[in-house]
Amino acid sequence: DTGVSQNPRHKITKRGQNVTFRCDPISEHNRLYWYRQTLGQGPEFLTYFQNEAQLEKSRLLSDRFSAERPKGSFSTLEIQRTEQGDSAMYLCASSLQSGADGYTFGSGTRLTVV
Amino acid sequence: GDSVTQMEGPVTLSEEAFLTINCTYTATGYPSLFWYVQYPGEGLQLLLKATKADDKGSNKGFEATYRKETTSFHLEKGSVQVSDSAVYFCALLSGGSYIPTFGRGTSLIVHP
Repeated sequence: DTGVSQNPRHKITKRGQNVTFRCDPISEHNRLYWYRQTLGQGPEFLTYFQNEAQLEKSRLLSDRFSAERPKGSFSTLEIQRTEQGDSAMYLCASSLQSGADGYTFGSGTRLTVV
Repeated sequence: GDSVTQMEGPVTLSEEAFLTINCTYTATGYPSLFWYVQYPGEGLQLLLKATKADDKGSNKGFEATYRKETTSFHLEKGSVQVSDSAVYFCALLSGGSYIPTFGRGTSLIVHP
C-alpha cells in the first residue's frame, strides 16, 4: 500500500468553472476525511465518510461543494462555479474505525482559481 | 467547542539547539493528542501521539507529554537538525468524536 493518494497535485482553473479532485485512501481504512488548508492555517474540516456513508459536513461546505465515496473506496470532491476564495490546498486523510491511531494524509491538491 | 492553540511562529533556531513548541487545548472529556509535521509541498505526517494523561509520545527524537492539569502537549527536541525545518501542527481528538481538530501550525526554521 502506498498510502493516501490524491490527484491531481495541482489544479488551476478559471472562476466559474467546475473542478473535481480524487482521493484514494489506504485500502483497509474505512474512514475518509476531506480538509481544506489555506496559507498559514491548520487544516479545516470539510466532511467525512465511514465506508460509503457521508456522516458529517462542516458549515464551511457550501452548496457548491459535494463529496462522494461510492462503494466505500475512493472519494471525489467537486466544487461547482469556483470562486477565488476557493483557492486552497485540499487534503484527504483516512483512518481506521477509531482514529485514535492517527490519520494518514495525502499530499493534497492545490487549487488556484484565477 | 474543541480548540487547539499553538505558539506563533516562525521559530528560528541554530542546528543542535533545544526546541520547544507550545500547545494548549480545550476539549470535552479526555481527548487523544497528536503532533503532525508538514514538509513543504507535502501532506501532514503523524509525528507522535498520546492517548491519556501523563503519557509521553516520542518519535525521531521528538517528545511530548500529555499534561491534563495544564491542558498542554508541548513538543520538544533536544538537538534540532536542518532537516527538521517544517511546519508542526498540534491536534486533538475528543472522546466520542471522529473528527480531529488542528491548531494553526508553527513553522520551524533551523539554520546550519
